Amino acid sequence: QQQVRQSPQSLTVWEGETAILNCSYEDSTFDYFPWYRLFPGESPALLIAIRPVSNKKEDGRFTIFFNKREKKLSLHITDSQPGDSATYFCAAYTGGADRLTFGKGTQLIIQP
Amino acid sequence: GALVYQYPRRTICKSGTSMRMECQAVGFQATSVAWYRQSPQKTFELIALSTVNSAIKYEQNFTQEKFPISHPNLSFSSMTVLNAYLEDRGLYLCGARDGTVNERLFFGHGTKLSVL
Repeated sequence: QQQVRQSPQSLTVWEGETAILNCSYEDSTFDYFPWYRLFPGESPALLIAIRPVSNKKEDGRFTIFFNKREKKLSLHITDSQPGDSATYFCAAYTGGADRLTFGKGTQLIIQP
Repeated sequence: GALVYQYPRRTICKSGTSMRMECQAVGFQATSVAWYRQSPQKTFELIALSTVNSAIKYEQNFTQEKFPISHPNLSFSSMTVLNAYLEDRGLYLCGARDGTVNERLFFGHGTKLSVL
């Protein structure tokens, strides 16, 4: 059973638009939700993260919206740039078990 | 800054042979190291979690007999893929956690394993 689900699998938006990447989870014990960005040949880099005590986390052009009741979160990338093209992974962490569970990723393509 | 060096970046091995990959934490103490595998078209699956001074915990479908892990100190971990076959192809990633910064994992660049 997939504990962390992401959608869409692939997303293409025009430069300057807002890209919205969705994530949902099953396990209520998850207490930290990082988003990682992966460029080909690189290591996953932490982009932004949120804890369930918050429903929004903003960092520049990146914003996480979190709905604890529905166990859903989304990453919004405003004013998207071609350099944002990458695969984005939603992950969920359980501190008690010290484990990080990844979603399958969303491949984001920003067209100039 | 904190970094994790993982090597080799790419490796090709013959079916039935074994290969070893290593991770070196720099700039922090890797109190725990998680090893992941990204198979083609799949997410990063957790293979095992190794915590210094504790037993290594393997996930379902992964065993010590197949993926032996060594985590002898706070800066180094290695994992071997024994008797590699086609289904073992993929990107193997180590993520090291700094004991002073909860939840934050520092990832290596991964080891891409191809099996002939």
